Amino acid sequence: RKEVEQDPGPFNVPEGATVAFNCTYSNSASQSFFWYRQDCRKEPKLLMSVYSSGNEDGRFTAQLNRASQYISLLIRDSKLSDSATYLCVVNRGGYNKLIFGAGTRLAVHP
Amino acid sequence: SAVISQKPSRDICQRGTSLTIQCQVDSQVTMMFWYRQQPGQSLTLIATANQGSEATYESGFVIDKFPISRPNLTFSTLTVSNMSPEDSSIYLCSAGSPDSNQPQHFGDGTRLSIL
Repeated sequence: RKEVEQDPGPFNVPEGATVAFNCTYSNSASQSFFWYRQDCRKEPKLLMSVYSSGNEDGRFTAQLNRASQYISLLIRDSKLSDSATYLCVVNRGGYNKLIFGAGTRLAVHP
Repeated sequence: SAVISQKPSRDICQRGTSLTIQCQVDSQVTMMFWYRQQPGQSLTLIATANQGSEATYESGFVIDKFPISRPNLTFSTLTVSNMSPEDSSIYLCSAGSPDSNQPQHFGDGTRLSIL
């Protein structure tokens, strides 16, 4: 079993749709959590950190459930420019090691 | 966040040769890391580049194959040695702080193809 698991998708949604991505992690000692976005042939870029209380940044909402070891990302009012791969990333702490999920592909169509 | 530049951005190499990838950060950073992203896969950490000491390698990666230098707080190199087609990947460096709550930021990657 992988340490960070994501539904690979692809999720094909129309513009304006709401889409949710889920992620689970297996190491209960994990300390911090992030969503990164990776466009085709580009480097990963931080989308948002994920906090225990949940956090929102515009159309994006991230939630963390430590008891269930579950992270989610909700995208409202999808735009064509949201098309990308979304990477669930967990930091084990200690040596500050990031563990990446395999990514969830999102394709937003007109 | 720090601006991270990698050189070269891409290369095509013959098997058996070695290539050194450079990573330059525009400000001093405590921690630098090297990752590999094989085709169609996500990122895997190769090693943590430690300033002034030997890099810390992850399981499955060894210094003889991936020697790393970190002469100062803004620069690191990764060498891919004795390359084979299986080494064809994107190699990415990242920079971060010792605070695990702070995200890492990535360079734009080096796309390497081995013939």
